[in-house]
Amino acid sequence: NAGVTQTPKFQVLKTGQSMTLQCAQDMNHNSMYWYRQDPGMGLRLIYYSASEGTTDKGEVPNGYNVSRLNKREFSLRLESAAPSQTSVYFCASSAASGSVGNEQFFGPGTRLTVL
Amino acid sequence: QKEVEQDPGPLSVPEGAIVSLNCTYSNSAFQYFMWYRQYSRKGPELLMYTYSSGNKEDGRFTAQVDKSSKYISLFIRDSQPSDSATYLCAMSRLRAAGNKLTFGGGTRVLVKP
Repeated sequence: NAGVTQTPKFQVLKTGQSMTLQCAQDMNHNSMYWYRQDPGMGLRLIYYSASEGTTDKGEVPNGYNVSRLNKREFSLRLESAAPSQTSVYFCASSAASGSVGNEQFFGPGTRLTVL
Repeated sequence: QKEVEQDPGPLSVPEGAIVSLNCTYSNSAFQYFMWYRQYSRKGPELLMYTYSSGNKEDGRFTAQVDKSSKYISLFIRDSQPSDSATYLCAMSRLRAAGNKLTFGGGTRVLVKP
């Protein structure tokens, strides 16, 4: 099992460009999450998908959109990148079945720089 | 004030010492408690998972939860240089919407040979 995979690993964008970060999990998990991690700010939730077909805003959703393509895949899109979106982006998944299994498993991250 | 507070460190210890990490929280509804380890330029990996109060041991790692004090701890015995990483605590309510976790900011640990 690969667990949670993310592509690309690194990306440099110019202000105003768009891009999509891809995430896939092979653990048959119901819930998936997108976080950003900045120095001194910890992990901040951007969007999440509690189950296939649903998405909800997290703590810092502005400037981002998401798509839960199927149970395995959850993508994050930056429509018009800004320097403030320079960060490390992590995707995570969780079995999240009822009251147990809510621990999350993380991908390796995407380092994004917006010039 | 943040829901989960964690000293950012860095915490520097000699090899073989006990590393003691902790988090305090304000939401009494938290029932699930986790510790993650994050090496530099890597994703967080789950170390320990506990439900409600009590202790849990796994090899050199012991997690403690004191819900009455809203305080959780992680102890690493016989620390090794390979334990040098950032440790994040995380917690969740029972049946939280989307099973979201609330993370502490992380404590950087450096184990010196």
